[in-house]
Amino acid sequence: TQLLEQSPQFLSIQEGENLTVYCNSSSVFSSLQWYRQEPGEGPVLLVTVVTGGEVKKLKRLTFQFGDARKDSSLHITAAQPGDTGLYLCAGIFMNTGFQKLVFGTGTRLLVSP
Amino acid sequence: DAGITQSPRHKVTETGTPVTLRCHQTENHRYMYWYRQDPGHGLRLIHYSYGVKDTDKGEVSDGYSVSRSKTEDFLLTLESATSSQTSVYFCAIPGQPNTGELFFGEGSRLTVL
Repeated sequence: TQLLEQSPQFLSIQEGENLTVYCNSSSVFSSLQWYRQEPGEGPVLLVTVVTGGEVKKLKRLTFQFGDARKDSSLHITAAQPGDTGLYLCAGIFMNTGFQKLVFGTGTRLLVSP
Repeated sequence: DAGITQSPRHKVTETGTPVTLRCHQTENHRYMYWYRQDPGHGLRLIHYSYGVKDTDKGEVSDGYSVSRSKTEDFLLTLESATSSQTSVYFCAIPGQPNTGELFFGEGSRLTVL
């Protein structure tokens, strides 16, 4: 059972366009992370959001955690070819000291010049 | 200094043969994780370790075993590989303290024919 669904699964856009990726679940998370992965490499953490309604900005990337801590979105403004990659959200459950991450299904982004 | 290395990076094997993947860390972390990544599924936890000789199952542990005889090494073994185990395998260790971050290796691509 996949607890975290991402949409869209694949997105192909032109440089300069804006886009939003969604990460949805029926579960409540203690926090949520976004990772980016490039071909042949492991995922790299972009951001962690902790509080319901929290908004974090990382240059042209804006991350939001839903008020109920069940969903999140990633918005990219004026996308660039360097933004190309696989974006993964990961929900975090805290369970008696062991931190369990559940990853979303992933959104593959292609930004063409 | 990568902090975490996986070997081999690529392997092709036949159904029914044993396979061992190695994860080596230089960060002296107590926790280590093995994930598999497949299209449409994101990353799924296979097994994790919380200390030498202390391991536990993740969500997709069937067909896999692990061992942790030293802090720095976490081995993933497929006793009798099947085609369904064709995947990219990632090892991970905790990243920045108190962030929940996972720091991933570069992955091991396994093809079972």
